Amino acid sequence: GAVVSQHPSWVICKSGTSVKIECRSLDFQATTMFWYRQFPKQSLMLMATSNEGSKATYEQGVEKDKFLINHASLTLSTLTVTSAHPEDSSFYICSAREDRVPGNTIYFGEGSWLTVV
Amino acid sequence: QKEVEQNSGPLSVPEGAIASLNCTYSDRGSQSFFWYRQYSGKSPELIMFIYSNGDKEDGRFTAQLNKASQYVSLLIRDSQPSDSATYLCAVNRANFGNEKLTFGTGTRLTIIP
Repeated sequence: GAVVSQHPSWVICKSGTSVKIECRSLDFQATTMFWYRQFPKQSLMLMATSNEGSKATYEQGVEKDKFLINHASLTLSTLTVTSAHPEDSSFYICSAREDRVPGNTIYFGEGSWLTVV
Repeated sequence: QKEVEQNSGPLSVPEGAIASLNCTYSDRGSQSFFWYRQYSGKSPELIMFIYSNGDKEDGRFTAQLNKASQYVSLLIRDSQPSDSATYLCAVNRANFGNEKLTFGTGTRLTIIP
């Protein structure tokens, strides 16, 4: 099946610094990718929809200047958490939909654990 | 009312029995429905998706959809300890070019050996 890879798998950073998380579709092209955040024992919450070659669409309540998304190619989207604070510590997951495939099957990356200290 | 509702569990099922997971959704415009399995600390893994009313079977898994009742379920036959995980129901309006999944909070399933 389709593979979506995230990097890094886990990262610890100091409060006030920025962290970049990469999401790659390894064997397919993805015009659209999605970024989710999941706090412990809670469900996945969609943060934004990343569109190749255009601006990301953010969900209500998500600060676009804090969570910068860049989808520069058909296989790569990046999420940068700027000026991270401890409350940003969470499990960040990306997903991608394979272009030109009937149906709406969406595959997830392995996720990235962010801890801000 | 939550867009996608699931019983949080935990649901305990003896090994070899049938596990039944349920999900209801509020948006009648929903077109496609997904079941994901998520192990603790890991990313969700797609198990099945279903678009049409009725049953869809894949190995030990059967998804059931009833759009009139806005209800989707997942049956796991011959439950194995490795099936112990949180199962997430996700719903998509599937307007082409605007496909976003809305997740339920998940049901924690424990298979008892």
